[in-house]
Amino acid sequence: KQEVTQIPAALSVPEGENLVLNCSFTDSAIYNLQWFRQDPGKGLTSLLLIQSSQREQTSGRLNASLDKSSGRSTLYIAASQPGDSATYLCAVKEYGNKLVFGAGTILRVKS
Amino acid sequence: GAGVSQSPRYKVAKRGQDVALRCDPISGHVSLFWYQQALGQGPEFLTYFQNEAQLDKSGLPSDRFFAERPEGSVSTLKIQRTQQEDSAVYLCASSLPGAASEQYFGPGTRLTVT
Repeated sequence: KQEVTQIPAALSVPEGENLVLNCSFTDSAIYNLQWFRQDPGKGLTSLLLIQSSQREQTSGRLNASLDKSSGRSTLYIAASQPGDSATYLCAVKEYGNKLVFGAGTILRVKS
Repeated sequence: GAGVSQSPRYKVAKRGQDVALRCDPISGHVSLFWYQQALGQGPEFLTYFQNEAQLDKSGLPSDRFFAERPEGSVSTLKIQRTQQEDSAVYLCASSLPGAASEQYFGPGTRLTVT
């Protein structure tokens, strides 16, 4: 059974710092990996999608990498801002199309 | 066009009541998914439709949970005889066909069972 783990569970950083969120998964038979952002009381906003054949994706200050063979992904956030404060979720898409999520990393960026 | 919409956004039910949660997917998205998110946890898969066919219901926690999508568009998740442990946010997502397609999520319905 696929298991997705996110480390750390919570992170508090001062504004302007670069930071890395980690995601690991136990079964490398995946179609893709997605990073989402969730604000309190809101749904999920997709940040980056990396197909299984890709190594990384970038969008603005965000960069996500995927190492399928080792079952790891990282989300790099450059020059963090208070508006980046949210919960970040990692999910892998299994054969069968369902997403399996980690429990998330709660990020707080202090101004 | 419009994103995935869900209604109601909030629902309070007394234990033992039946509830129905609605999802309107993005137009043209043939795949539709339901997830359950408990407080402080990531979403967990409940069920998956392709058009009107329910292809996977392995995540439904009990036979009190039932989902349908009769015309291959709008979907309803029904929970019968609600229990306190059913309190959660229920998220709906839709996508185009294809294994590599991205899922787009609605805002969710927060269900509280008292």
